Amino acid sequence: DADVTQTPRNRITKTGKRIMLECSQTKGHDRMYWYRQDPGLGLRLIYYSFDVKDINKGEISDGYSVSRQAQAKFSLSLESAIPNQTALYFCATSDGFEAFFGQGTRLTVV
Amino acid sequence: AQRVTQPEKLLSVFKGAPVELKCNYSYSGSPELFWYVQYSRQRLQLLLRHISRESIKGFTADLNKGETSFHLKKPFAQEEDSAMYYCALSRYNQGGKLIFGQGTELSVKP
Repeated sequence: DADVTQTPRNRITKTGKRIMLECSQTKGHDRMYWYRQDPGLGLRLIYYSFDVKDINKGEISDGYSVSRQAQAKFSLSLESAIPNQTALYFCATSDGFEAFFGQGTRLTVV
Repeated sequence: AQRVTQPEKLLSVFKGAPVELKCNYSYSGSPELFWYVQYSRQRLQLLLRHISRESIKGFTADLNKGETSFHLKKPFAQEEDSAMYYCALSRYNQGGKLIFGQGTELSVKP
């Protein structure tokens, strides 16, 4: 009964491949976010969306794109994966006051 | 520049000892401050927010605007407190668009 679900949970891909990470939420919130977590760096914001027609770049958007297919769905794409995009990726949704996170997708680019 | 700093990567204490996880921030305005916790193999979840002024699982955190700090404290650590702790800030009503610190791993030994 997870409120924020990410798929896949783990993925290994090759350099240059396109990959999509998916996120869906049942909280009914308009706001959704993608973060990446790297050891020693904490979580950094990649993209965020305040509603279906509002998408904004975050701190580290280069090399990434997103799609907000519906209020409940927010996908992150790596158009041409590179090894330094190896990280743990988190999707989150928010009511404005608290963020609710998915369990993360561990992506390895070889 | 907006920044959150957690100076300790790892904090190791014995069960029953007091705990203080440090967090300092820089922000031009009035931020909202949070502590998020990530237990092993679980998703990131909210522990405390400064505007609530509450104690959760024995933890408290006071916002000190003069010192720009939001340290997390617990008088008597328990083994189940072992986890990764992240300090984060946001603007008012943007509680999903977070700036995270690097994280501190708390290890409570029996």
